[in-house]
Amino acid sequence: NAGVTQTPKFRILKIGQSMTLQCTQDMNHNYMYWYRQDPGMGLKLIYYSVGAGITDKGEVPNGYNVSRSTTEDFPLRLELAAPSQTSVYFCASSRPVDRGNTIYFGEGSWLTVV
Amino acid sequence: TQLLEQSPQFLSIQEGENLTVYCNSSSVFSSLQWYRQEPGEGPVLLVTVVTGGEVKKLKRLTFQFGDARKDSSLHITAAQPGDTGLYLCAGLKTSYDKVIFGPGTSLSVIP
Repeated sequence: NAGVTQTPKFRILKIGQSMTLQCTQDMNHNYMYWYRQDPGMGLKLIYYSVGAGITDKGEVPNGYNVSRSTTEDFPLRLELAAPSQTSVYFCASSRPVDRGNTIYFGEGSWLTVV
Repeated sequence: TQLLEQSPQFLSIQEGENLTVYCNSSSVFSSLQWYRQEPGEGPVLLVTVVTGGEVKKLKRLTFQFGDARKDSSLHITAAQPGDTGLYLCAGLKTSYDKVIFGPGTSLSVIP
């Protein structure tokens, strides 16, 4: 019962470096999401995908890129990391949300940009 | 601007007390969900409400969806330390196919 798996768990980046947060789910969900959560705050949607080959921007997409080549994988790319991207990142997946389906979250990736 | 507002932002109560937290918006939602998040973990779904005026109970937790489907409340009876966590409401608008989260209410129940 792996569910949503994201790696790495922790990462420290220097300003200007790039990295990719990996996310994979084994529930055959069409919908996948990337959220960020700043300390003491709720979740902000970065990007989402309703199926392989389809991605769309959320509330805070600047500084990030995504791709969805398969149903299972939804990596998040950070280009030219900035201190403002220090946050906890959550990948999630679900069946179509218009039917009130549960969103399943990964355990989070803690990213610090110094 | 927040599409979903939650109040209070922080709440600290003694074990055994009752409490209510609120989720409000000026927009209409086709459904609304409540999640609880414990430190160091991802949010976990508590309930989904889809009908205006709907009330759902989950043990000591009672959830209500407003008649106009713009707001919701979560009432906890006889709070326990295990209820401690961040409570997030999340709404789905009929014109979108993604879920938007509110900022959350951080609850601390003191033994």
